[in-house]
Amino acid sequence: EDKVVQSPLSLVVHEGDTVTLNCSYEVTNFRSLLWYKQEKKAPTFLFMLTSSGIEKKSGRLSSILDKKELFSILNITATQTGDSAVYLCAVVNAGNNRKLIWGLGTSLAVNP
Amino acid sequence: DVKVTQSSRYLVKRTGEKVFLECVQDMDHENMFWYRQDPGLGLRLIYFSYDVKMKEKGDIPEGYSVSREKKERFSLILESASTNQTSMYLCASGQGSSYEQYFGPGTRLTVT
Repeated sequence: EDKVVQSPLSLVVHEGDTVTLNCSYEVTNFRSLLWYKQEKKAPTFLFMLTSSGIEKKSGRLSSILDKKELFSILNITATQTGDSAVYLCAVVNAGNNRKLIWGLGTSLAVNP
Repeated sequence: DVKVTQSSRYLVKRTGEKVFLECVQDMDHENMFWYRQDPGLGLRLIYFSYDVKMKEKGDIPEGYSVSREKKERFSLILESASTNQTSMYLCASGQGSSYEQYFGPGTRLTVT
């Protein structure tokens, strides 16, 4: 059965720290991996990764995919209180009608 | 920007009532999805649709039905609401063969 596991489940850091969130997967016919940020409302799209080893970057956030070891990391540098959110990872099984397989998320709290 | 709207942010219904949750997107997206989100269970797909008048069951369709009479609108129907359907309901849309999904603000439904 396809599955996506995120770690840690929760994390508390101070402003200015750098954090690394992990997403590992077991999916037949892997196509892509997506990261979302969810504050107290709807998830918002961050990145989609399809190729191994190519970093995607947006401001202080970056992400990379390792298709050999079957995981992705999301890095946030110089964290701010506005980064406090649940970060969700989802994977596409290309043979699965474009449905996303979701992890349970990592809850990040950034304290001032 | 993609805009996905949902008819209500908060809704309280009684057991046995028929409940309609409406979702509208303004980006001419072909794909639309209904999820529910519960603590510890993450996002679970209820139903999805890749075209007008088309629908497919997701992972937890029992107790729900959907309607897609127009491209921009995807309705979720709880035929006879039960307390175990108390949850956050999220609608999402996406374009054609793209895997990215864009979410509405969610409806927090309480069934008493």
